[in-house]
Amino acid sequence: GENVEQHPSTLSVQEGDSAVIKCTYSDSASNYFPWYKQELGKGPQLIIDIRSNVGEKKDQRIAVTLNKTAKHFSLHITETQPEDSAVYFCAASDYKLSFGAGTTVTVRA
Amino acid sequence: EAGVAQSPRYKIIEKRQSVAFWCNPISGHATLYWYQQILGQGPKLLIQFQNNGVVDDSQLPKDRFSAERLKGVDSTLKIQPAKLEDSAVYLCASSSAGLKRSGNTIYFGEGSWLTVV
Repeated sequence: GENVEQHPSTLSVQEGDSAVIKCTYSDSASNYFPWYKQELGKGPQLIIDIRSNVGEKKDQRIAVTLNKTAKHFSLHITETQPEDSAVYFCAASDYKLSFGAGTTVTVRA
Repeated sequence: EAGVAQSPRYKIIEKRQSVAFWCNPISGHATLYWYQQILGQGPKLLIQFQNNGVVDDSQLPKDRFSAERLKGVDSTLKIQPAKLEDSAVYLCASSSAGLKRSGNTIYFGEGSWLTVV
């Protein structure tokens, strides 16, 4: 089955700086890569996704990149704000979604 | 549009007792999932339904966990008897994806927090 590794496990950034989270996956058949944000006491919420026919996608302050050859993808958050503090999960899927272990992001004011 | 509804939100039980969680997916979503999320980990798929049929239950501990989705809408996840290691958040999710189709957004509920003491 698919194995997704996510780094770092914790990330502390100053407000206004950028945050980068990296993930690798093992199954070359995976073709869909969503990112979820989970706030305390809530379920994961999709923030952005990318498919294997696209190398990069951007939505306001959030961008994702995908390198299928190397089997890794990344989340970039620019101009971080306190409300970006949460746990972020990457995931990979051919038809079954497998999640990374999560990154706890703390934005310091 | 109403999201995925789950109940109860919190439950504390003693080991060897039983517990049931209920989920109502987003209206019209054919696919329903139950995930287990242990503290500090990512969600792990327990079972996936397509309408009222099981697509994948390979990671469901069938000696103690059971799930059903009668009439292809609501679903119930039951644990009997519970063990200490079952303490986790049980997340229900749904999508409009068809059988074994990738790339459709999966929407999660708020989760049911289970503590086994």
